[in-house]
Amino acid sequence: DVKVTQSSRYLVKRTGEKVFLECVQDMDHENMFWYRQDPGLGLRLIYFSYDVKMKEKGDIPEGYSVSREKKERFSLILESASTNQTSMYLCASSFSGAGTGELFFGEGSRLTVL
Amino acid sequence: QKEVEQNSGPLSVPEGAIASLNCTYSDRGSQSFFWYRQYSGKSPELIMFIYSNGDKEDGRFTAQLNKASQYVSLLIRDSQPSDSATYLCAVNFMEYGNKLVFGAGTILRVKS
Repeated sequence: DVKVTQSSRYLVKRTGEKVFLECVQDMDHENMFWYRQDPGLGLRLIYFSYDVKMKEKGDIPEGYSVSREKKERFSLILESASTNQTSMYLCASSFSGAGTGELFFGEGSRLTVL
Repeated sequence: QKEVEQNSGPLSVPEGAIASLNCTYSDRGSQSFFWYRQYSGKSPELIMFIYSNGDKEDGRFTAQLNKASQYVSLLIRDSQPSDSATYLCAVNFMEYGNKLVFGAGTILRVKS
């Protein structure tokens, strides 16, 4: 069964803390994505990666960085958390080859920054 | 103008009725279109995709695509209370490669 696992379901952090959100997929997918989801704004792409050590900015990369050292793992880093980064963070992966282009999502990480 | 637009709803329909969810998109060489369903507190899951103009049916779900008018819709026949969820429209724009652009979603409520 397809699996995308996010390391933490719920986190509470303080302003200025460094935050790591980790995502692991077991489907050998080339593409991995980090989205944040806020009410009324839908899913907004933060960063994505086509391959190991490759990364590209999405629509809202400011305040975030990512790391992809292994194909199955994609990490989102908040260098200095701020209250406006309180949100639901969703990791997803997809296959690059011919197919539906379906995104498989993790369960999400709800981050609260106080 | 947003690249992918949906009416936020909520759209309320009685059980057994047809629910019609609509999505419009900007012209950026779009090539494929997806409908995701998201239950409250859960992550999105793909329910339909469509590439070509016309209708595509899968059980109670029908996706309709009209590229000339730049809209894609999802029809749910015989709506059930279990269909109550947020439905997200997503478009793969040619110029963005493998990246999907999502609409904000439409909340559907099916009342028994």
